[in-house]
Amino acid sequence: EVQLVESGGGLVQPGGSLRLSCAASGFTFSSYWMNWVRQAPGKGLEWVANIKQDGSEKYFVDSVKGRFTISRDNAKNSLYLQMNSLRAEDTAVYYCARSPGGGAARWLDYWGQGTLVTVSS
Amino acid sequence: DIVMTQSPDSLAVSLGERATINCKSSQSVLYSSNNKNYLAWYQQKPRQPPKLLIYWASTRESGVPDRFSGSGSGTDFTLTISSLQAEDVAVYYCQQYYSTPPTFGPGTKVDIK
Repeated sequence: EVQLVESGGGLVQPGGSLRLSCAASGFTFSSYWMNWVRQAPGKGLEWVANIKQDGSEKYFVDSVKGRFTISRDNAKNSLYLQMNSLRAEDTAVYYCARSPGGGAARWLDYWGQGTLVTVSS
Repeated sequence: DIVMTQSPDSLAVSLGERATINCKSSQSVLYSSNNKNYLAWYQQKPRQPPKLLIYWASTRESGVPDRFSGSGSGTDFTLTISSLQAEDVAVYYCQQYYSTPPTFGPGTKVDIK
């Protein structure tokens, strides 16, 4: 069974940093693009970033470029999102999601339960 | 970026009746080289993550009931629930994956009348 479990969310002050993790199991992690998608409270879905199977390609939504980095450790079946210079508008539930192969942009076939990031003073 | 819009914002349908949700993209998501529409649909129930329903505009994900169907091409797409069940109460999102960044529609809330 495919499982994605996010962790690392919490309350952080504006300008602060947070590192999210996603532990994957039930599939060959190194064979899939992986994504972060966020959802602000009561709002819709926003794709944030993704990373290729070997980490050689990474893409970000414009609003987080230069502030967020995405990485993965295939030996640990884990995905990460390092979030720096956090703003109030980054407040959201952050989901880890898997993409089937074939390219940078694909549908998202499995999602984690999400971890809440709250940016507030 | 490709902008996705959906209509209506919300709808209420009687149990057993048809629900139709529309999705429009600001540019075509039909890739001419393979004649595939790069469009997916998701269902999100309260306090749950989204669930993939359909990809390639009309291919149902494994395990998704056949009352869910997707259609359309180019810039205009439709998700149809042929006979609404109580468990279908949710918000439905379309998503394009023709280009990066992948973008979602704003969602359509489906309720029981």
